[in-house]
Amino acid sequence: GENVEQHPSTLSVQEGDSAVIKCTYSDSASNYFPWYKQELGKGPQLIIDIRSNVGEKKDQRIAVTLNKTAKHFSLHITETQPEDSAVYFCAASGSGANNLFFGTGTRLTVIP
Amino acid sequence: GAGVSQSPRYKVAKRGQDVALRCDPISGHVSLFWYQQALGQGPEFLTYFQNEAQLDKSGLPSDRFFAERPEGSVSTLKIQRTQQEDSAVYLCASSTGPLWGTEAFFGQGTRLTVV
Repeated sequence: GENVEQHPSTLSVQEGDSAVIKCTYSDSASNYFPWYKQELGKGPQLIIDIRSNVGEKKDQRIAVTLNKTAKHFSLHITETQPEDSAVYFCAASGSGANNLFFGTGTRLTVIP
Repeated sequence: GAGVSQSPRYKVAKRGQDVALRCDPISGHVSLFWYQQALGQGPEFLTYFQNEAQLDKSGLPSDRFFAERPEGSVSTLKIQRTQQEDSAVYLCASSTGPLWGTEAFFGQGTRLTVV
């Protein structure tokens, strides 16, 4: 099955700086890669996703890049704000799959 | 409702007790997923429903775990003879489509503690 690894496990940045979280996956058939933000006591919330026919996708301060050859994808948050503080999860899913394989999460702290 | 609703939010069970966790998906959502999230870990897939049909239960850790969605809307995850290793947050998600690729909305989860 799919194995998703995520780094770093914790990340602290100053407000206004950028944050980068990286994930690798093992199954070359995976073709859907969402990112979730989870705040304390809440369920994961989809913030951005990318499919294997696209190399990069951007939505305001958030961007995701995908390298299918190397089997890794990254989340980039620019101009970080304190409200960006949360745990972020990457995930991967294969074609026809009905489930997602999640990484172990990155706890992002934005220091005002 | 506006989102996926799960109840109870917190459940404490004595070891050996049976528990039932409820999920109310967003109205009209075809797909429903259950995930288990251990402390400090990412969610792990348990089972998937398309309407009332349970199409994938490969993630259920043992035959003590059972899920149903008899009318294609509300779903219940039942755990029999709970063990301490069952302690986790149980997340439910629903989406409009049958496959990942349509946005799935998660509930807040039920935190189960087995003592």
